Amino acid sequence: ETGVTQTPRHLVMGMTNKKSLKCEQHLGHNAMYWYKQSAKKPLELMFVYNFKEQTENNSVPSRFSPECPNSSHLFLHLHTLQPEDSALYLCASSLVGQEPSNFRYEKLFFGSGTQLSVL
Amino acid sequence: GQSLEQPSEVTAVEGAIVQINCTYQTSGFYGLSWYQQHDGGAPTFLSYNGLDGLEETGRFSSFLSRSDSYGYLLLQELQMKDSASYFCAADNYGQNFVFGPGTRLSVLP
Repeated sequence: ETGVTQTPRHLVMGMTNKKSLKCEQHLGHNAMYWYKQSAKKPLELMFVYNFKEQTENNSVPSRFSPECPNSSHLFLHLHTLQPEDSALYLCASSLVGQEPSNFRYEKLFFGSGTQLSVL
Repeated sequence: GQSLEQPSEVTAVEGAIVQINCTYQTSGFYGLSWYQQHDGGAPTFLSYNGLDGLEETGRFSSFLSRSDSYGYLLLQELQMKDSASYFCAADNYGQNFVFGPGTRLSVLP
């Protein structure tokens, strides 16, 4: 148990469906991340939320829409996905500091992921 | 660009020592982390090097050389349960973690 919970664990959806992935962390962290893990490829950072504000969006298609209502919850809304979007979607959290100290915490805590299949 | 390189696969026998290398090219760099991921599981943190040198945590050690943009993870007294994928990750400016492609370690009896 890492303190980061993702639901659902598995999801099968058609290309016209709309679904949402949920992530919740119980660690008191203030930064949350979405990563995509495809077979034989590095983990790809999709979105970063720091203090509930989105700070990174690594050119992710608009069919993926993140939402971070508070520092403990993160969602990934999915619509009109493509078969190539099938992958393991991992949520992670960490603790980072604010300026000027810029304290950094070197660990990411990952959830178990949602295995997504797009048909 | 930002990229990390690792061997794709490593095989060793129980009780042996194995070293997994990682070279990196990033636009900014704080340190290098290592994560373990068993099939179907979440990546879990193993170690972090913010400074050059060796960090030891039980059977696992990690090394960093900033001048060579190189690090490695050393696993000693290998056990069957160590069979997993191992990822190095560069902790760079902007609070991003850039991951390597992963090394699949198979431990044989």
